[in-house]
Amino acid sequence: DQQVKQNSPSLSVQEGRISILNCDYTNSMFDYFLWYKKYPAEGPTFLISISSIKDKNEDGRFTVFLNKSAKHLSLHIVPSQPGDSAVYFCAARGGKLIFGQGTELSVKP
Amino acid sequence: DAGVIQSPRHEVTEMGQEVTLRCKPISGHNSLFWYRQTMMRGLELLIYFNNNVPIDDSGMPEDRFSAKMPNASFSTLKIQPSEPRDSAVYFCASSLGGRPMNTEAFFGQGTRLTVV
Repeated sequence: DQQVKQNSPSLSVQEGRISILNCDYTNSMFDYFLWYKKYPAEGPTFLISISSIKDKNEDGRFTVFLNKSAKHLSLHIVPSQPGDSAVYFCAARGGKLIFGQGTELSVKP
Repeated sequence: DAGVIQSPRHEVTEMGQEVTLRCKPISGHNSLFWYRQTMMRGLELLIYFNNNVPIDDSGMPEDRFSAKMPNASFSTLKIQPSEPRDSAVYFCASSLGGRPMNTEAFFGQGTRLTVV
C-alpha cells in the first residue's frame, strides 16, 4: 500500500506563475515531511521540510503547507523559473522515510 | 564531506549473476536507507538501518535481496541471483535521526543496474 501519494505525475506551468505540487499521506504517525527535487541522472536533493507541529514553512520562493486533518501537504513555488523543471518528491518520516511517486514539473519560458 | 558515495555508478550484468551495490554514508550519520527508483512507485524504500542495525526490511522484494551494514561507514545491497526485472536505479541515503530527531536524508548519485 502506498502510504505517501502524489496523484499528479506531471505539471506544466508558465515562467513567473505559481507551481503547486500536492501530496497525500495515510499514516498519522508521520511527524516530519519533506520535499526533494531530482534532476535526471542525479540523486534527489533536499528542498524544504516541515514538522507536524507546524502548518507552514517558507524558504525563499518555496513554501510548504501541511493540513494534518486532511493528511495533505503541498509545495508552492512562486515565481516559477525554468530551472525549477525537475521531478519533485514528497516524503514522510516517522523513523523510516517514505516517498511518493514524484511529480514532474515543467516550467516553460 | 564528500557526501554519500555509491559504487559502481553503472552495472550491467547477466541474469543469474550476483550483484553487489556499495554505499558509504556521510560520516556521523546514524541512519541509512536503500531505495529503488521505479516509474510506478517512485522511490521505493527497500530497507533502513539505524546505528548499523536493520530496523525495517519490509520493502525488500524477495529473498534474492539482502543488505548488510557491518560498520557505520559501509553498507551493501546484494541481489543473488539477479533477474531482468531488477533493472532500476538504486539509491542509498543517510541522515541523522531516528525519533525524536528527524532530519533530512542526503542521497548518493545512485547505481544504475541493468540485468540482461
